[in-house]
Amino acid sequence: KNEVEQSPQNLTAQEGEFITINCSYSVGISALHWLQQHPGGGIVSLFMLSSGKKKHGRLIATINIQEKHSSLHITASHPRDSAVYICAVNGGADGLTFGKGTHLIIQP
Amino acid sequence: DAGITQSPRHKVTETGTPVTLRCHQTENHRYMYWYRQDPGHGLRLIHYSYGVKDTDKGEVSDGYSVSRSKTEDFLLTLESATSSQTSVYFCAISYNRDETQYFGPGTRLLVL
Repeated sequence: KNEVEQSPQNLTAQEGEFITINCSYSVGISALHWLQQHPGGGIVSLFMLSSGKKKHGRLIATINIQEKHSSLHITASHPRDSAVYICAVNGGADGLTFGKGTHLIIQP
Repeated sequence: DAGITQSPRHKVTETGTPVTLRCHQTENHRYMYWYRQDPGHGLRLIHYSYGVKDTDKGEVSDGYSVSRSKTEDFLLTLESATSSQTSVYFCAISYNRDETQYFGPGTRLLVL
């Protein structure tokens, strides 16, 4: 069973700061997902990646397959980025294995 | 956004009663999943389907059954609800395995 660890669990930052959320996993995977969940809200897929780096707007996701590690970066953070960010992996059986999430608060 | 709905969105029920949650998609995606989300545990896979009448168990399948008689519908049944099944349930779909999953809005279930 894959173990997915995220850090930090909680992060409070000021508007405009550069944010990094980390994810590590224990077993080789076919793909890694970054998801976003707003309070009381649904879950949105941000990225799916199996190698290298992807960018969408102010969000950047990277993955290092050899080190079993991924990072999600937010540039020029804004209060609307406040949400829970969840890392999840595909590998082995169907369905995703999830980290417990990172609670991000961006203060104005 | 992918066309995926869940019903009901909220439900309160009593211990021992049967409960069925419905996930409906309009995207013709092959894979459908049921997850539950609990504080301290995050999201966990209950059951998934890889085609009509093709289903398999996930990490936390005890006490749950599923059915998929049509591509667009995936039902999750709690045969006899228990308080430990109080949770938020999310359905998700993907076109194929190892592809982006799209999540439904969730169903909040409270078992008293």
